[in-house]
Parts: sequence; structure tokens; C-alpha cells
Amino acid sequence: ILNVEQSPQSLHVQEGDSTNFTCSFPSSNFYALHWYRWETAKSPEALFVMTLNGDEKKKGQISATLNTKEGYSYLYIKGSQPEDSATYLCAFENTGFQKLVFGTGTRLLVSP
Amino acid sequence: GAGVSQSPRYKVAKRGQDVALRCDPISGHVSLFWYQQALGQGPEFLTYFQNEAQLDKSGLPSDRFFAERPEGSVSTLKIQRTQQEDSAVYLCASSFGDLNSPLHFGNGTRLTVT
Repeated sequence: ILNVEQSPQSLHVQEGDSTNFTCSFPSSNFYALHWYRWETAKSPEALFVMTLNGDEKKKGQISATLNTKEGYSYLYIKGSQPEDSATYLCAFENTGFQKLVFGTGTRLLVSP
Repeated sequence: GAGVSQSPRYKVAKRGQDVALRCDPISGHVSLFWYQQALGQGPEFLTYFQNEAQLDKSGLPSDRFFAERPEGSVSTLKIQRTQQEDSAVYLCASSFGDLNSPLHFGNGTRLTVT
């Protein structure tokens, strides 16, 4: 059984704080690692799809790194804003058919 | 442009009732996925279509669950004789199907079985 773990489970920060989350996944048979942001009452929105060890991706104030050899990815948010409040999901793929195994997510709350 | 559309948004069913959940993917997306998200869990894979072909249904929890995509576009997830443990959010996603393509999700259908 493939296990994808995310930590912390939830996080409450103040506006302007920088924060980061961890996603751990199996280091064997790696194909891709996805990050999604899921705001309440909306659909999950893709942030990054990462495939190469050492890869770093950036979208605005959000960035992610990938270490496939040790099986982890970090998501960083620089200068959090209230609109960054959401659940951040990572998902591991080992098949090439986008059959994703999701973690349980990190719920971020950014207070003004 | 139009995203992935799911209906209904909410469904309340009495135990034993049959339900049908609809997914309208983004036009041109060949891959379509159904995921189930129980409370406090991450989404779990149910089944996957490439065009009209159901290539993987290993995640369907029982033979009460059935999915189809007869013309390679709209998909329906049917649950027969619903049970309380079927209560969950059912998410549909579509993609172009190539490596590095993200999944595009709908808003989900929240099913509550009473």
C-alpha cells in the first residue's frame, strides 16, 4: 500500500508570515509529485507537477522543491496572505497514468 | 473557459437508494478520473477512463459502484443500494493525459446517505 504523508495536519499563521509544509512519499518507482490547493467551496487547483529530482518550481509567492531519492517535497509560502488559506494536498504518482495517491492535506489558516 | 462540471453539487439519499453522479470534463481532455474523499481523508482513486475505455477500476470499493463514459466525454458514477459508508465527496477530474499534465477537478458532489 502506497503511503503519502503530509505535515503538519493544520497550521495557523499571521498575515505576512512565511510557512512551509512537508510531503513524504515512497522513494521507489517515482513518476511525479503533484501539489494542489483546495479552497473551501471550490475545486482543487493545480499548483505544481514535479518530475525531476532536485526540481524547484515557483508560482508567485509559492514555491516547491522535490527530493525523489529520499522521498519528500516541501511547499513554501512566502509572506502568507488571508487568501492563501486553503488545504494544500500533495499527490504521488508511480504509474505514468496520473493515478494519484493523495496525502490527507495540510490545512492552512492565515489570519489578517 | 469552462472547467470540469459536476452535478448535483449535493445529494442526500436514503440507505438503499440508487444514485447517479454526473461529470462533464473539459472539452478535449482524454483522461477522466473519479476520486472519493471521506471526511478527514485525502481523495482516494476510484476509477480512470481514457476516452471511452475504462482502463482501471481497481479503486471501486464494491460491485455496487459502477462508472461509465460511453462517448468519451460525459461520465456517470452510479452507486446502487447506497450505504452510510458511501457518504463522501466524489470528485471528478480530467486531463490531456500526458506526463506533466495536472488534473483539473470539478467542485465535487457531496453525497450524504441517511
